[in-house]
Amino acid sequence: DQQVKQNSPSLSVQEGRISILNCDYTNSMFDYFLWYKKYPAEGPTFLISISSIKDKNEDGRFTVFLNKSAKHLSLHIVPSQPGDSAVYFCAATLRETSGSRLTFGEGTQLTVNP
Amino acid sequence: DAGVTQSPTHLIKTRGQQVTLRCSPKSGHDTVSWYQQALGQGPQFIFQYYEEEERQRGNFPDRFSGHQFPNYSSELNVNALLLGDSALYLCASRDIRASSYEQYFGPGTRLTVT
Repeated sequence: DQQVKQNSPSLSVQEGRISILNCDYTNSMFDYFLWYKKYPAEGPTFLISISSIKDKNEDGRFTVFLNKSAKHLSLHIVPSQPGDSAVYFCAATLRETSGSRLTFGEGTQLTVNP
Repeated sequence: DAGVTQSPTHLIKTRGQQVTLRCSPKSGHDTVSWYQQALGQGPQFIFQYYEEEERQRGNFPDRFSGHQFPNYSSELNVNALLLGDSALYLCASRDIRASSYEQYFGPGTRLTVT
């Protein structure tokens, strides 16, 4: 039972344009969501998070949007840079479990072309 | 400030053998979680340790066990290895008192079972 899904295995964008990565979840109990970036031979690196009490969180070039009714979140990267090329994972958790159990999607490979 | 460290980097074992992986959390962190990442998949939660006890467990058999030491470092043990146990094993840590729920990941141990 895949509770967090990223339906696009890959995404290719031009440098300077917007990258939009999408994520859907099925468990309505999830109340905290995170995005991680992973380069080959490295562990995932935290990017940005959002609580279910918000619908938007921004940090520099990264913005996460949450649509609770649709059980959908997205990560926008503006402007995209070649160094952003990596695998992006969305993850969800329950704050009542102290957030220590993350449920991940399958990941989306982002390629930013110069 | 050292981040999360894991050892060894790579490991090759034979079916039926036992393996121990090690993790040192980021300084100031007291909670350690372990994840298994199969090729092309997102990380899957194995279990979480806090105050030297297993607090949460994912859908993994009893062949997977762990330990947390008084200095917060942790071990993951896998008995009776199967070919399907070949994966990247990630350790993540966080401060359980932190208001945010981001976890910091190590670079992982690549386990190959032949």
